[in-house]
Amino acid sequence: GAVVSQHPSWVICKSGTSVKIECRSLDFQATTMFWYRQFPKQSLMLMATSNEGSKATYEQGVEKDKFLINHASLTLSTLTVTSAHPEDSSFYICSARLTGLAEYEQYFGPGTRLTVT
Amino acid sequence: GQNIDQPTEMTATEGAIVQINCTYQTSGFNGLFWYQQHAGEAPTFLSYNVLDGLEEKGRFSSFLSRSKGYSYLLLKELQMKDSASYLCAVVDSNYQLIWGAGTKLIIKP
Repeated sequence: GAVVSQHPSWVICKSGTSVKIECRSLDFQATTMFWYRQFPKQSLMLMATSNEGSKATYEQGVEKDKFLINHASLTLSTLTVTSAHPEDSSFYICSARLTGLAEYEQYFGPGTRLTVT
Repeated sequence: GQNIDQPTEMTATEGAIVQINCTYQTSGFNGLFWYQQHAGEAPTFLSYNVLDGLEEKGRFSSFLSRSKGYSYLLLKELQMKDSASYLCAVVDSNYQLIWGAGTKLIIKP
């Protein structure tokens, strides 16, 4: 159980365009989802925490107008990278936390590799 | 500030045992996770410790000492497929995960 999917798994886009990444919890409801970014040979960097039905909470230094997050349902959160630039090229990973799970374990999606040319 | 320290890289031999250490200084503590991450893939859950002591799960064991702000992940009978990065993450007082930079483990035949 506790499977999280992401779509697409990889995407190449041109500079200036927008890209939407979907994160779905397949067999459970997730009131909280997290979006991470990981550059090569670096650790995960939390971008934002997304709660169903409310605005996302962004980490310091993350532009909320550039990285739009929508958590419209208990099983779906989307991240839209607007006006993408080459420096946005990265591995984007979402995770979901089970409601009421005492361990606060996060289940990760497989990630989306974004390349901006 | 909050800080989690892990060695950047370790090398071990197939069939041997390796211990990956993690020390932390966080605002509050609500548990510590170890995740495994293969190159180009998302992290996968290995263990969770919230009480002091050793938790054994097959070839992998995780130890926690809250008074020392210290944990280690012990991998036994190393296999080539264990080559990966191992991430230590602490749940702070706000129930947020604070991530270490990860330890890249290289297994040699």
